[in-house]
Amino acid sequence: GAVVSQHPSRVICKSGTSVKIECRSLDFQATTMFWYRQFPKKSLMLMATSNEGSKATYEQGVEKDKFLINHASLTLSTLTVTSAHPEDSSFYICSAREPGLGDFFGPGTRLTVL
Amino acid sequence: SQQGEEDPQALSIQEGENATMNCSYKTSINNLQWYRQNSGRGLVHLILIRSNEREKHSGRLRVTLDTSKKSSSLLITASRAADTASYFCATNDYKLSFGAGTTVTVRA
Repeated sequence: GAVVSQHPSRVICKSGTSVKIECRSLDFQATTMFWYRQFPKKSLMLMATSNEGSKATYEQGVEKDKFLINHASLTLSTLTVTSAHPEDSSFYICSAREPGLGDFFGPGTRLTVL
Repeated sequence: SQQGEEDPQALSIQEGENATMNCSYKTSINNLQWYRQNSGRGLVHLILIRSNEREKHSGRLRVTLDTSKKSSSLLITASRAADTASYFCATNDYKLSFGAGTTVTVRA
């Protein structure tokens, strides 16, 4: 149990385009999901908390108009990187919280912006 | 803000040996979780230990928690090459805070 998927696993896009990443909890319902960013050989940096049916809560320094989060159902949260630039290239990871059991992570999405 | 900090930063051991890594944190917690990450992959949830628990086992993993010292340890017994990965602790007071991780290399 407690499986979280992410799609796509890898995406390459041109500068100025928008990219949508999906995060799904496959075998449980998650009212809360989280989006992280990870730089090479670094720890995870929390970007935002995604709550089903309400607005996401962004961490300090994260532009909410740049990183749009939608948590429309109990099993799906999406992160859209709008007008992507090369500095947005990174490894993006989501997690879904199963109360009492912990936070379970997706396999990550490698974004490369040319 | 980063709360969990793992020690050591890197660990190299021979297959079959035990690997121990520690995590220290600063504020009170509800629970602490340990994760494994293989290079370029997502995080695999290993174990969650609650603040009222002192020790927990899962297969070859043993986790301890000392809330008075604000520290936790992860022991991997009889290590295998497949255990080569980075290990992170994360504390939870609603949002997870990750340390920089311990990179474990198991030599065959």
